[in-house]
Amino acid sequence: GAVVSQHPSWVICKSGTSVKIECRSLDFQATTMFWYRQFPKQSLMLMATSNEGSKATYEQGVEKDKFLINHASLTLSTLTVTSAHPEDSSFYICSAPSGRGGLNSYGYTFGSGTRLTVV
Amino acid sequence: DAKTTQPPSMDCAEGRAANLPCNHSTISGNEYVYWYRQIHSQGPQYIIHGLKNNETNEMASLIITEDRKSSTLILPHATLRDTAVYYCIVRAPLGNTPLVFGKGTRLSVIA
Repeated sequence: GAVVSQHPSWVICKSGTSVKIECRSLDFQATTMFWYRQFPKQSLMLMATSNEGSKATYEQGVEKDKFLINHASLTLSTLTVTSAHPEDSSFYICSAPSGRGGLNSYGYTFGSGTRLTVV
Repeated sequence: DAKTTQPPSMDCAEGRAANLPCNHSTISGNEYVYWYRQIHSQGPQYIIHGLKNNETNEMASLIITEDRKSSTLILPHATLRDTAVYYCIVRAPLGNTPLVFGKGTRLSVIA
């Protein structure tokens, strides 16, 4: 089945530094990648949508200059958290439509998530 | 996408069937019912989906009421590894639009 490989699975960084999270579609082409953020005991919140070869669209309240998204190829999308601060500590998850398509498509494959801790 | 309502938490004894309800009274004719689950510190995993007929796969069964205003996900023989948050999502099969997650049901399978 379709697999999205997300790395790293966890990262600890110092406040003020930047962290890059990668999501690769291993056996399908991901023209679109969705990025979510999840705080403890809360549900997934959509942050942004990236489309290959174009600028990402961000949800209201998400700073585009802080969360840089690059989707330069059909198999790789990256999220860079710039100048990270403790409040950016969260679980970040990517997702791509990956199914057979059509009315019966169930094809949303999720990465395994990245736990970011900013100290 | 139609709104869904799920109980915040449920317990189930290991080996017994887990029945997770979902209300979606405002579902539209072209909207499907999808179920995903999220095991702690992992990304969500697809379980099953359906339009109006009951569906079964290797993971679970989905029972949709005739008026489609509610559904039940059934895990026939729950194991400890089924402990997770289960999300019921109602949406039309629109390509390249994101899934919107509610709060889900936290299922605890107890030995």
